[in-house]
Amino acid sequence: QKEVEQDPGPLSVPEGAIVSLNCTYSNSAFQYFMWYRQYSRKGPELLMYTYSSGNKEDGRFTAQVDKSSKYISLFIRDSQPSDSATYLCATPSGGGADGLTFGKGTHLIIQP
Amino acid sequence: DAGITQSPRYKITETGRQVTLMCHQTWSHSYMFWYRQDLGHGLRLIYYSAAADITDKGEVPDGYVVSRSKTENFPLTLESATRSQTSVYFCASSESTMGGGRGYTFGSGTRLTVV
Repeated sequence: QKEVEQDPGPLSVPEGAIVSLNCTYSNSAFQYFMWYRQYSRKGPELLMYTYSSGNKEDGRFTAQVDKSSKYISLFIRDSQPSDSATYLCATPSGGGADGLTFGKGTHLIIQP
Repeated sequence: DAGITQSPRYKITETGRQVTLMCHQTWSHSYMFWYRQDLGHGLRLIYYSAAADITDKGEVPDGYVVSRSKTENFPLTLESATRSQTSVYFCASSESTMGGGRGYTFGSGTRLTVV
């Protein structure tokens, strides 16, 4: 079992919709979770960074961690065509010293 | 300009050749990483480095060699390229193991094709 699982999509939604992107993880000891956004032919860029459980909001983006079910989510409100990208969840699975473990990424398409 | 740069952006090489991918960062971050990204596998860690002269294997190190004689540079060498090493390679750097509040900063990638 991969340490971080993510549905690759593609996920296609109309502009203005609320988008929900999700990951599950295997190890209950994981505490830090990140969401990266990757545009085509670009490197990933950090979008959200959360610690432990709860919600974190940044503009139209909300990251949510549910440690009881080992589930992390990213919500995008009022989605825009510019949000079309691949979204990757990540966690420092080895305590961080040996890098981040990434989900495979969900390809999101926002239809104008 | 501050940042992390990778070169070349695109590379085509033949099976069996040695090829080196370059990575340079200007922040003096202690930690540097090499990932490869493939359809169906996502990003997988090849090697990482906690400081100059300190490197360690990641998930998929076979066929790769790294060095880090200077903090700002972290080249990745494919000793004898194989078709299975056709991939997009990303270098990343970080000020801490967890990435701090900024996470890891990635370069723009090198698209390598082995023919």
